[in-house]
Amino acid sequence: QSVLTQPASVSGSPGQSITISCTGTSSDIGTYNYVSWYQQHPGKAPKLIMYDVSNRPSGVSNRFSASKSGNTASLTISGLQAEDEANYYCSSYTTSTTYVFGSGTEVTVL
Amino acid sequence: QVQLQESGPGLLKPSGTLSLTCAVSGGSISSTNWWSWVRQPPGKGLEWIGEIHESGSSNFNPSLKSRVTISIDKSNNQFSLKLTSVTAADTAIYYCAGQYNKAYLWDYWGQGTLVTVSS
Repeated sequence: QSVLTQPASVSGSPGQSITISCTGTSSDIGTYNYVSWYQQHPGKAPKLIMYDVSNRPSGVSNRFSASKSGNTASLTISGLQAEDEANYYCSSYTTSTTYVFGSGTEVTVL
Repeated sequence: QVQLQESGPGLLKPSGTLSLTCAVSGGSISSTNWWSWVRQPPGKGLEWIGEIHESGSSNFNPSLKSRVTISIDKSNNQFSLKLTSVTAADTAIYYCAGQYNKAYLWDYWGQGTLVTVSS
C-alpha cells in the first residue's frame, strides 16, 4: 500500500494560517471518514490532534481544524505559534482493513 | 490515565527476530478496540505495522505481513510484536499505540524504543 502524499514542508509566520494537504485514493481517504492527524515533536511520540476528518480531541487547541474533499484531506493551523513547529502526519483507514500514514510534513514557524 | 511502555532488545543481528512487548497500565487491554505497532526509521515517516484486537483478531501491513506476528496476553495486560528475518531496513523506533476511546485512531502511544539491526 502506498503512503498518503503530503508536502514535505510548510512554513508560516507567527499568527498566520497554514494548510497541509494529504492526498490518498478511493481506497482510503475517498471511501472512509476515518482520517486522523498526528503532531510529532522531535524525539517524542506522535500525538493525536484530529480524528474522523474534522473532530478535535479534548485538550487540543481550537486553532487546529481539518476537512476532506474527495481523496484529499487537509489540516489547517490558524494563529500559528512557535509551539506548532513539528512534524505532522495524516492517517487513513483503508478498504483492505489496514491503515496508511502520510509521508509527513515539517512545519516551520518563521 | 492509560500508559503504554515498550520493552525489548535494542540491538539485533541481521536475519534475527525482533521481539518487543508493550505493557499497558492504567486501563485494561480488554476494554478497547485495537492495539497497534507503528515504526519510524530514523529521520523518516511513520509506518503502520499491524494491529490486534482483544479477541485475538489481527490485521497487518501487506508489505510486512509475511514476517510479522502480533499476540496479546490479557492476563499480563500486554501485547507483543515479532518480526522475523530482520535487515538493516528494519532499523527504526518502534511504537505501540492503542485505540482506547474510539476506533480508527490512536489516542495513546508508548514513548517508542529504538531497535537497531547491525552485524
